[in-house]
Amino acid sequence: DQQVKQNSPSLSVQEGRISILNCDYTNSMFDYFLWYKKYPAEGPTFLISISSIKDKNEDGRFTVFLNKSAKHLSLHIVPSQPGDSAVYFCAASADYGQNFVFGPGTRLSVLP
Amino acid sequence: GAGVSQTPSNKVTEKGKYVELRCDPISGHTALYWYRQSLGQGPEFLIYFQGTGAADDSGLPNDRFFAVRPEGSVSTLKIQRTERGDSAVYLCASSLNRGELFFGEGSRLTVL
Repeated sequence: DQQVKQNSPSLSVQEGRISILNCDYTNSMFDYFLWYKKYPAEGPTFLISISSIKDKNEDGRFTVFLNKSAKHLSLHIVPSQPGDSAVYFCAASADYGQNFVFGPGTRLSVLP
Repeated sequence: GAGVSQTPSNKVTEKGKYVELRCDPISGHTALYWYRQSLGQGPEFLIYFQGTGAADDSGLPNDRFFAVRPEGSVSTLKIQRTERGDSAVYLCASSLNRGELFFGEGSRLTVL
């Protein structure tokens, strides 16, 4: 059973528009969430995090929203740039950062 | 270097052989994680060290897999009697007192 789900395997967005990547989880004990970006042949790189005491965290073009009652989080990228094209992973942890569970990823393509 | 270093970057072996994968974390990072990633999937948790001890090894798939971190820095993931299903990218990450993970570029293991 997948505890962290990313139901869209891929997403295409026009340059300059908003990209919205979604993530759902099933474990109500998760209290800390991370988003990672991965380019081919590289390790995942950290983008942004959010803890369960918040419902929004913003860092430049990246904003993460958390809806605990729906067990849903989303990553917004505005404006999207071609260099944002990558696979994005959502990860969740209970007990603040012990064992992180990753979703299967969403491949974002930003078209020029 | 300043990042997480993993060696070898690529390893091809025959079914039944023994393999060691090495991870050199960021200096000062107390937590070290091993994940593995198969094609089209997100990273799958294997084991997590806090200092020298394995704080959580619940992700190791069976007793052919073992990991050590004897001095609380470098870690080695050991796989005995390799099987074709072990083929994957093995990712190491480190963090400072939990929180965001910094990943290496991974070791791609191919079992023929």
